[in-house]
Amino acid sequence: KNQVEQSPQSLIILEGKNCTLQCNYTVSPFSNLRWYKQDTGRGPVSLTIMTFSENTKSNGRYTATLDADTKQSSLHITASQLSDSASYICVVSQGPGGSYIPTFGRGTSLIVHP
Amino acid sequence: GAGVSQSPSNKVTEKGKDVELRCDPISGHTALYWYRQRLGQGLEFLIYFQGNSAPDKSGLPSDRFSAERTGESVSTLTIQRTQQEDSAVYLCASSFWLAADNEQFFGPGTRLTVL
Repeated sequence: KNQVEQSPQSLIILEGKNCTLQCNYTVSPFSNLRWYKQDTGRGPVSLTIMTFSENTKSNGRYTATLDADTKQSSLHITASQLSDSASYICVVSQGPGGSYIPTFGRGTSLIVHP
Repeated sequence: GAGVSQSPSNKVTEKGKDVELRCDPISGHTALYWYRQRLGQGLEFLIYFQGNSAPDKSGLPSDRFSAERTGESVSTLTIQRTQQEDSAVYLCASSFWLAADNEQFFGPGTRLTVL
């Protein structure tokens, strides 16, 4: 069964600190992995997309990593800001022969305190 | 606007009533998706459209749920005889075409509360 597990479920950090969110998946065949940010009351917005051959990708203060062998990904946030408070969702899509429907993780709720 | 829009933003209804939720995708996007997000839970796939066709309806929770899309544009999700467990945020997303590497752009959602 295709699954995406995220940890931790929730995280509270102080402004300016770094943090790392984890995502483990069992989706096959693998096509890509996206990290989405969902602000309260808004729809998710894509932060990064990782394909099989990519190990690291950065988008400003966000850096995603992918280990396709162990089927793990992480999202590292550097120098956190209050606006980083949101839910971060890991989403894995299947490759040829698989479903068009991505598999969503339950998300990590991040709260950044001043 | 250039993004996905949904209406209404909030809907409060009484148990047993029918509701209709609307999604306007990004112009030119051929694929459209509906998801449900219960409080504190992940996104639950409901249905997707390629053009006006819905090849996979397996995600719809019951026969009280239906969806249609016309003109390869606007889509409506209808819930008949609403139940309290239908309370959730209903999210719509669209993508340029139906492919795994195509980014889905999400609307702001409709928050449905069934009393």
